[in-house]
Amino acid sequence: EDKVVQSPLSLVVHEGDTVTLNCSYEVTNFRSLLWYKQEKKAPTFLFMLTSSGIEKKSGRLSSILDKKELFSILNITATQTGDSAVYLCAVGNSYGGSQGNLIFGKGTKLSVKP
Amino acid sequence: EAGVVQSPRYKIIEKKQPVAFWCNPISGHNTLYWYRQNLGQGPELLIRYENEEAVDDSQLPKDRFSAERLKGVDSTLKIQPAELGDSAVYLCASSKDRVYYEQYFGPGTRLTVT
Repeated sequence: EDKVVQSPLSLVVHEGDTVTLNCSYEVTNFRSLLWYKQEKKAPTFLFMLTSSGIEKKSGRLSSILDKKELFSILNITATQTGDSAVYLCAVGNSYGGSQGNLIFGKGTKLSVKP
Repeated sequence: EAGVVQSPRYKIIEKKQPVAFWCNPISGHNTLYWYRQNLGQGPELLIRYENEEAVDDSQLPKDRFSAERLKGVDSTLKIQPAELGDSAVYLCASSKDRVYYEQYFGPGTRLTVT
């Protein structure tokens, strides 16, 4: 059964800290791995990593994909209170009728204290 | 560019009552998804549409759930009759293409069944 496991499930840090969020997966016919930030309701897209793009960076956020070891990390440097959210990892497969469907992990709840 | 629009944002109903959720995807996005997200969990796919065709409804509880996307644009998800266990956030997402493009989510509808 395909699955995505995120760790830790929750994390509390202080402003200015650097955090690393982890995502491991077991998915048949891997196609892509996506990171989302969920603050209130709607998950907002952060990054998509594929075989042709295993490292992405945007401002203080960066992510890498290790297809050999089947995991990804999301790094946030110089954290701010506005980074407080649930970070979701999702993996898309490339097989048949479910091609492109996303399987989500449970998320990591990040709390950044002033 | 307008994002994915959903309504209502909140809905409280008694068990055994019907309920419907509406979604308008981002313009030009052919693929539309309905997800259900329980507290502390990642979103789980209910149904995926390619234009007006439901191409993956394997996770939709068909005894009480139904969905439609008549003109290949907006979509409605219905539950009849609702059960206590249906309390969750119902998210709609869309993408240009189910394989190569990321999914963008709407704000969701928080359903409470009493």
